[in-house]
Amino acid sequence: RKEVEQDPGPFNVPEGATVAFNCTYSNSASQSFFWYRQDCRKEPKLLMSVYSSGNEDGRFTAQLNRASQYISLLIRDSKLSDSATYLCVVPPPSQGGSEKLVFGKGTKLTVNP
Amino acid sequence: EPEVTQTPSHQVTQMGQEVILRCVPISNHLYFYWYRQILGQKVEFLVSFYNNEISEKSEIFDDQFSVERPDGSNFTLKIRSTKLEDSAMYFCASSPPPTGYTFGSGTRLTVV
Repeated sequence: RKEVEQDPGPFNVPEGATVAFNCTYSNSASQSFFWYRQDCRKEPKLLMSVYSSGNEDGRFTAQLNRASQYISLLIRDSKLSDSATYLCVVPPPSQGGSEKLVFGKGTKLTVNP
Repeated sequence: EPEVTQTPSHQVTQMGQEVILRCVPISNHLYFYWYRQILGQKVEFLVSFYNNEISEKSEIFDDQFSVERPDGSNFTLKIRSTKLEDSAMYFCASSPPPTGYTFGSGTRLTVV
């Protein structure tokens, strides 16, 4: 299994739709989980951290299932500005403070008017 | 909001030439990183740097690559003899321990 694997996409949805992205990870000892957003030719930007109880930030909901090593991101009421590539990020267990990030390949979302 | 600054935004170089990519991390951050992203591919870790030395590096970070923090503000990535396959976006990042990454806007390196 790849370290971090995501839905290949692309996803094309109309404005207002609900869309969900899935991600699986291989290292069962991982403790941190993130969703990043990347616009074309721009740097990755943190969208949200994923907590074990699941967490919500406005229209965005992240879920973690440790037993299945699975993370999801749900976007409700999608906006044109949500069009981007969504990156699942699962750092390996931290050793000594620095934390390298391991990125999935990303899922491209296009929200259409 | 504090930023990580990278220069130049775009660099074109001939194969075999040396390039230096520059970064100014956030001033109170302690960990510094370089990542690269080849067009259409995933973001890949290259190296992390802490307390004036490399703390971890990937298989990609071979002898052609080096990093340096020559003064209190700059953090550089040097590629000694560029190859065509080094063409990519290079992102610098910094973090206070242990999390809280901030990425720079990247340098697009084109090797011709």
